[in-house]
Amino acid sequence: EAQVTQNPRYLITVTGKKLTVTCSQNMNHEYMSWYRQDPGLGLRQIYYSMNVEVTDKGDVPEGYKVSRKEKRNFPLILESPSPNQTSLYFCASSFREGYEQYFGPGTRLTVT
Amino acid sequence: RKEVEQDPGPFNVPEGATVAFNCTYSNSASQSFFWYRQDCRKEPKLLMSVYSSGNEDGRFTAQLNRASQYISLLIRDSKLSDSATYLCVAPAQGSGTYKYIFGTGTRLKVLA
Repeated sequence: EAQVTQNPRYLITVTGKKLTVTCSQNMNHEYMSWYRQDPGLGLRQIYYSMNVEVTDKGDVPEGYKVSRKEKRNFPLILESPSPNQTSLYFCASSFREGYEQYFGPGTRLTVT
Repeated sequence: RKEVEQDPGPFNVPEGATVAFNCTYSNSASQSFFWYRQDCRKEPKLLMSVYSSGNEDGRFTAQLNRASQYISLLIRDSKLSDSATYLCVAPAQGSGTYKYIFGTGTRLKVLA
């Protein structure tokens, strides 16, 4: 089954404790992306990658890191999480830029 | 002006009604557009892609007006199951960059 998977689905952590949210797709897509969704602000792009080893900032990259060492994986790293990073996070992938994206199920992160 | 703007609603309509949403975008170079449906706290699911003047899929029709820089979504014969938030997406592309910009969504409630 073609899909985008994310783990964990729910995470509660404390300020400053490094964490990684994994994202994987099995569709051989070139473009992958991370979004956060907050009430009243909609989905905002954090980082994206147009291919292996090619990543770029979205609209809200501060406090996040990403890497794209393999085509299928695109982990999101929070080196020192803060409470303002409490949000619902989605990973998405598309065949390439300009095509429709397919979303993972989301990760609900709470930073206390 | 926001890059992608939508009326947040909610639009409350009776079953069987026809309802239309508009979405305006600011980047005149945008080539491809998308409508997604999102149920509460779930991942966005692709409803329709719009690459030229419009697209139709059953009860759903999307139209693109490049001169006025808006796309519309028309839902005919509304069902209770159409109740959701509808997200409009337009790209922001530059030299070697490609971002997807989401509107904040329009809420639809279909009433029995």
